[in-house]
Amino acid sequence: GQNIDQPTEMTATEGAIVQINCTYQTSGFNGLFWYQQHAGEAPTFLSYNVLDGLEEKGRFSSFLSRSKGYSYLLLKELQMKDSASYLCAVNMDSNYQLIWGAGTKLIIKP
Amino acid sequence: DAEITQSPRHKITETGRQVTLACHQTWNHNNMFWYRQDLGHGLRLIHYSYGVQDTNKGEVSDGYSVSRSNTEDLPLTLESAASSQTSVYFCASSGLAGVNEQFFGPGTRLTVL
Repeated sequence: GQNIDQPTEMTATEGAIVQINCTYQTSGFNGLFWYQQHAGEAPTFLSYNVLDGLEEKGRFSSFLSRSKGYSYLLLKELQMKDSASYLCAVNMDSNYQLIWGAGTKLIIKP
Repeated sequence: DAEITQSPRHKITETGRQVTLACHQTWNHNNMFWYRQDLGHGLRLIHYSYGVQDTNKGEVSDGYSVSRSNTEDLPLTLESAASSQTSVYFCASSGLAGVNEQFFGPGTRLTVL
């Protein structure tokens, strides 16, 4: 079956850096997405990786290694507003469907 | 600005009743999706559509149905609501070009008593 694993919860300090990992075992791969979801709200798109390497977008970066089935989301200069759940999702083929991890709840402490 | 809306935002119903959740998008997206989100689970796909008159079952489709009569709307119907269908429901849409990221509606919190 298809499987995506993320840590359930992480805690970090305001101003610090945190790395959220995602590993996947899927029958195909056509891209990996990261979404942010604040409590009680809808997920919002953060980043997309389809080739190996690092994609940087402001304070957020996302890395992909297809050979290892591994991605991470790196958040720098953490702010209290970054307290949210971070969802990893894989597109297995060109049919637009996504397989979702259960999400990582990130708690930021002052 | 383009958007995706859901209604109602909150719904309480009784076991056995038929319930319809609305989803409307103005992105002009071909692809639309319905998910449910429960604690401890990722988003789970209920049904999806790639265009008008096209509908497909997702991994948790039992007890749910959808219809797509136009580009903008994909209503989700619970034929006979069950307590196991108490959840938060999200509708999403995506286009055909570029990254194809999914845009989500604000969600509907459904409670089945």
